[in-house]
Amino acid sequence: DTEVTQTPKHLVMGMTNKKSLKCEQHMGHRAMYWYKQKAKKPPELMFVYSYEKLSINESVPSRFSPECPNSSLLNLHLHALQPEDSALYLCASSQVGGMWSQPQHFGDGTRLSIL
Amino acid sequence: AQTVTQSQPEMSVQEAETVTLSCTYDTSESDYYLFWYKQPPSRQMILVIRQEAYKQQNATENRFSVNFQKAAKSFSLKISDSQLGDAAMYFCALKRDAGNMLTFGGGTRLMVKP
Repeated sequence: DTEVTQTPKHLVMGMTNKKSLKCEQHMGHRAMYWYKQKAKKPPELMFVYSYEKLSINESVPSRFSPECPNSSLLNLHLHALQPEDSALYLCASSQVGGMWSQPQHFGDGTRLSIL
Repeated sequence: AQTVTQSQPEMSVQEAETVTLSCTYDTSESDYYLFWYKQPPSRQMILVIRQEAYKQQNATENRFSVNFQKAAKSFSLKISDSQLGDAAMYFCALKRDAGNMLTFGGGTRLMVKP
């Protein structure tokens, strides 16, 4: 079973629509991440939240708006997307800091298609 | 800046045989961590194995082991007794000791032939 849950699994939307992707984890992790992954490519980091605060924004266009309402939940609000935004969107979580390696745990992703 | 390079876009192996996937990296950090992730068609990125740079002993997890050569900045993954379920994209990733950002390699697609 996946410890990081993403909904929906698939989403098709028009360029004028507004939709949201949801990510939830109950492992007590205080860092959460959004990645974008194109076919046959590695994931590209979009945003990092640490202790519910946005710590990294990798110059992502403003049509993507992240939100972290609490320590277990991460949303990605979508508006006026472009066809090139069609991709797999992966959410991940991890412990923060510490002297040991902190692997990221990934969800199954949301496959997004923009018409 | 950190970089991770996987020079083999595709590899194939016969079921029950052994295969080695290559990964080289570059970092100016002295403390860092290395990971291999597996991504099957089901899409989820699954952690296969991890290695702390300060440890000389190579990590092993059942049929998976690594050959970590710190001076050469090499981190290869060996899969023994390959199974059909091992077919997937494999990504090598590097994490600095400070911060939680991962730098991924381009991936290697592994095919397992019955």
